[in-house]
Amino acid sequence: DTAVSQTPKYLVTQMGNDKSIKCEQNLGHDTMYWYKQDSKKFLKIMFSYNNKELIINETVPNRFSPKSPDKAHLNLHINSLELGDSAVYFCASSRIVTSGRAWEQYFGPGTRLTVT
Amino acid sequence: GQQVMQIPQYQHVQEGEDFTTYCNSSTTLSNIQWYKQRPGGHPVFLIQLVKSGEVKKQKRLTFQFGEAKKNSSLHITATQTTDVGTYFCAGYSGGGADGLTFGKGTHLIIQP
Repeated sequence: DTAVSQTPKYLVTQMGNDKSIKCEQNLGHDTMYWYKQDSKKFLKIMFSYNNKELIINETVPNRFSPKSPDKAHLNLHINSLELGDSAVYFCASSRIVTSGRAWEQYFGPGTRLTVT
Repeated sequence: GQQVMQIPQYQHVQEGEDFTTYCNSSTTLSNIQWYKQRPGGHPVFLIQLVKSGEVKKQKRLTFQFGEAKKNSSLHITATQTTDVGTYFCAGYSGGGADGLTFGKGTHLIIQP
């Protein structure tokens, strides 16, 4: 069974559209993340959810909104897509982050978003 | 905010040569992790270092955490074609609410 899964794997859409990417983990983890990886492979954290609460919100445009219906799912909704949103988006999960200790993160296969 | 610098950005080696990537943080870290991402794949966790001066080995890979807990290195002995990929370090400074800060990665290219 896949530990962290994402759908879709590829997403091609036009500027101005709204799209969602879904993520599910079956590891029983309490913390889930969304990362954006640009064409230079730079990996930047966008959001994380800890027990359904947003605990990190980096300086991403408010067109991006994470939604977590339960602790096994963290979906990413993007409004009014722009060319610069083209990237690979990775979902990840880990055990709960506590003060002084981070845990290894398990990444999903990624969603390659292309905005035309 | 916290910054994690990683060098070199690219490294070309002949198969069988050694490879090292270095990671430096602007702040003292609670722990540091290393990940490997194969071309077209996703980052995969390799190891976590927690203690000052810690050294860990995984077969041909040697990981070190500096005494001041602000720098780390990954050394691969006698590279093989299966080592191709991007190696990321990721630092955690503690505080509970912070996530990992990833370095920009080192792309390892191996020529047979």
